[in-house]
Amino acid sequence: GAVVSQHPSRVICKSGTSVKIECRSLDFQATTMFWYRQFPKKSLMLMATSNEGSKATYEQGVEKDKFLINHASLTLSTLTVTSAHPEDSSFYICSARDPGAYGYTFGSGTRLTVV
Amino acid sequence: RKEVEQDPGPFNVPEGATVAFNCTYSNSASQSFFWYRQDCRKEPKLLMSVYSSGNEDGRFTAQLNRASQYISLLIRDSKLSDSATYLCVVNSAAGNKLTFGGGTRVLVKP
Repeated sequence: GAVVSQHPSRVICKSGTSVKIECRSLDFQATTMFWYRQFPKKSLMLMATSNEGSKATYEQGVEKDKFLINHASLTLSTLTVTSAHPEDSSFYICSARDPGAYGYTFGSGTRLTVV
Repeated sequence: RKEVEQDPGPFNVPEGATVAFNCTYSNSASQSFFWYRQDCRKEPKLLMSVYSSGNEDGRFTAQLNRASQYISLLIRDSKLSDSATYLCVVNSAAGNKLTFGGGTRVLVKP
């Protein structure tokens, strides 16, 4: 089945630094990928839709200058959390849809801790 | 009102019992519906899609009621390994955007 690889799985960074998270579709091409954030005991909240070759579409309330998204190829989207703060600590998950499959496949998630 | 609402639970279920729970959605034009399962600190994994006529996959049965705008999931003969959070997911009428419910936590106990 469709596989989405996400890394790193876990990262700890200092306040003020930037962190890049990668999301790759391993056996299919994804013109669109999605980035979610999940706080403890809460559901997934869509942050933005990553579009290959064009600008990402951000959900209301998500700062596009803080969460930089780049979708440079049909198999790779990156999310960069810039100038991270402790309140950015969360579980970030990407997903994509294999056109040949049903449903959406999620990456394994990245647990970000900003200290 | 949230777009997708679920009873957060937890539902404490004796092993071997049946448990069922619902999810309501507000957008009547929603097109696709899914149940995902999420284990603690893991990513969601597709459990099953929900079809208009209802569908069954082993011990799991999903139903869709468009008139009342809810979907349901029923788990028969619960196993300890069924303990997880079950996420109701709705694909918006606009296309690819998924909206997640808050999840229903199920705890199956011996």
